[in-house]
Amino acid sequence: NAGVTQTPKFRVLKTGQSMTLLCAQDMNHEYMYWYRQDPGMGLRLIHYSVGEGTTAKGEVPDGYNVSRLKKQNFLLGLESAAPSQTSVYFCASSLYPRGGAEAFFGQGTRLTVV
Amino acid sequence: LAKTTQPISMDSYEGQEVNITCSHNNIATNDYITWYQQFPSQGPRFIIQGYKTKVTNEVASLFIPADRKSSTLSLPRVSLSDTAVYYCLVGDGYGGATNKLIFGTGTLLAVQP
Repeated sequence: NAGVTQTPKFRVLKTGQSMTLLCAQDMNHEYMYWYRQDPGMGLRLIHYSVGEGTTAKGEVPDGYNVSRLKKQNFLLGLESAAPSQTSVYFCASSLYPRGGAEAFFGQGTRLTVV
Repeated sequence: LAKTTQPISMDSYEGQEVNITCSHNNIATNDYITWYQQFPSQGPRFIIQGYKTKVTNEVASLFIPADRKSSTLSLPRVSLSDTAVYYCLVGDGYGGATNKLIFGTGTLLAVQP
């Protein structure tokens, strides 16, 4: 049982390049989330999904797009990367549609935009 | 969505009991209180969740007073490995419109030998 897996673990992008981060969960969870965490700060919610085919904006959605075509996968896209998007990105999933329910996190993706 | 306030940092020594308090004055009737732990370079990990009174598991206890406007995470006999950031989250329940997991800045607990 892998839990929540993020791909890739590390990536360096040039300003203006695009990329997609993949989050996969094998727990049949309905809810999935993407966060970013900057040095010395807490996690900020980018986008989330309450089920297959649905997405919603979080606290800091600008510059990012997401898709949830399959229940087990939640993709985070950067269309034109900027240095301000240098961060560690975490994906999470949870089973119950209840705020604060136990969420499981991936190991993170460290993204550097130069 | 209820906003939470926690101390930015706390210091302790090995073997002591540590209590971290979280204020959530605007907590709603359906909200649950959840605590997560995060080690450097790792994603947060669920510790404990409660609605009212006291909840205890193998890792920690959670104390919630009757008015639910605050909660206290209690870690018994901490060790160096408990050094981490602890987040308090308050979220609504049962498919409400705000099914988000919003993290605050958390409390950095530093355990000294």
